[in-house]
Amino acid sequence: DGGITQSPKYLFRKEGQNVTLSCEQNLNHDAMYWYRQDPGQGLRLIYYSQIVNDFQKGDIAEGYSVSREKKESFPLTVTSAQKNPTAFYLCASSMGSSYNEQFFGPGTRLTVL
Amino acid sequence: AQSVTQPDIHITVSEGASLELRCNYSYGATPYLFWYVQSPGQGLQLLLKYFSGDTLVQGIKGFEAEFKRSQSSFNLRKPSVHWSDAAEYFCAVALSGGSYIPTFGRGTSLIVHP
Repeated sequence: DGGITQSPKYLFRKEGQNVTLSCEQNLNHDAMYWYRQDPGQGLRLIYYSQIVNDFQKGDIAEGYSVSREKKESFPLTVTSAQKNPTAFYLCASSMGSSYNEQFFGPGTRLTVL
Repeated sequence: AQSVTQPDIHITVSEGASLELRCNYSYGATPYLFWYVQSPGQGLQLLLKYFSGDTLVQGIKGFEAEFKRSQSSFNLRKPSVHWSDAAEYFCAVALSGGSYIPTFGRGTSLIVHP
């Protein structure tokens, strides 16, 4: 089955530690995205990538980093510079045109202890 | 700048009642419009989308939405709500001919009473 997967489902991190969230898709989509979701704030774009080896900052990129070495993979690293990292993180992919919908993974809930 | 407004943070309906969730956008050109649903702790799933043609769009799970250019709206409707429809609903808008990155509304939480 084609789809988009995220791992782990739940992640706990101590303050000061970097942590990497995994996102993989087998839909052959060109574009991939990372969103952060907080209660009552909808989805906020962190980073997005249109092609391999290229990515752009979204609205809230500070304290995050990404890589796009393979078309199917777009990992997100939450660094210690992110002041309030506890949130629900969603990865998505799409064909990359305006009329193409996004396909979302199941999400990763990150909690900083 | 483009924006999407979902005026209702929460909506409560009784099972079997009709439903309408509002979505308004501000753009100069005709946008591409989407409605997504999110169950608790899950990712988003596409309900329906509009990009041209008939302004009344049918989606999955018995949902429909109507694009009204004069009102800059794309409201989601369902004639009879089921308890399993309780979820968060997001409207999203993308520009035609411009950046394909969609802008999401803040979401409307649907509560269904038995």
